[in-house]
Amino acid sequence: SAVISQKPSRDICQRGTSLTIQCQVDSQVTMMFWYRQQPGQSLTLIATANQGSEATYESGFVIDKFPISRPNLTFSTLTVSNMSPEDSSIYLCSVGGLHKNIQYFGAGTRLSVL
Amino acid sequence: TQLLEQSPQFLSIQEGENLTVYCNSSSVFSSLQWYRQEPGEGPVLLVTVVTGGEVKKLKRLTFQFGDARKDSSLHITAAQPGDTGLYLCAGASGTYKYIFGTGTRLKVLA
Repeated sequence: SAVISQKPSRDICQRGTSLTIQCQVDSQVTMMFWYRQQPGQSLTLIATANQGSEATYESGFVIDKFPISRPNLTFSTLTVSNMSPEDSSIYLCSVGGLHKNIQYFGAGTRLSVL
Repeated sequence: TQLLEQSPQFLSIQEGENLTVYCNSSSVFSSLQWYRQEPGEGPVLLVTVVTGGEVKKLKRLTFQFGDARKDSSLHITAAQPGDTGLYLCAGASGTYKYIFGTGTRLKVLA
């Protein structure tokens, strides 16, 4: 399995500010993903973090709002920019490619925007 | 747009009861996964089903993939408080890219 560390685990932020979430994996992985989980709801894929190139965003998500970096095969960051209360969610990092059909998730970052 | 609808959305049962959670779509998926998520944690994979009609058992949990690979079910026998959590199905939409279902929140009372 993979051990995924996300930082911070939670944060309370002011409207208009930005927060960068880090995701560190204990082994090199092919695929890294970022998801959003709004309170009491399921997971929505934000983007696929590509190593060495721009992330691939899903419909409804844009780079200006959610810039993503992936400098190597074990690390990625997601920034939530110019936050509003509607951005209050759990943001989850996941990885794939270690084992067939298996995706591992971090514990998530619980974000509250005031 | 691929959608996965789960039912029921919420379920509260007594310890020892049986239950079934359904995951339905109009789309065909090459594989389907079931996850359980507990508060403050990320989802944890329970099972992956790949073949239409496939049935997999994991202790008291039985998973079935529909013949047409559009739906799946999760059956729990003799539920225990430790089974409490959010159950999510996810259909493969590409290489390691999954569409998650709407979720079923289960509470098992002692």
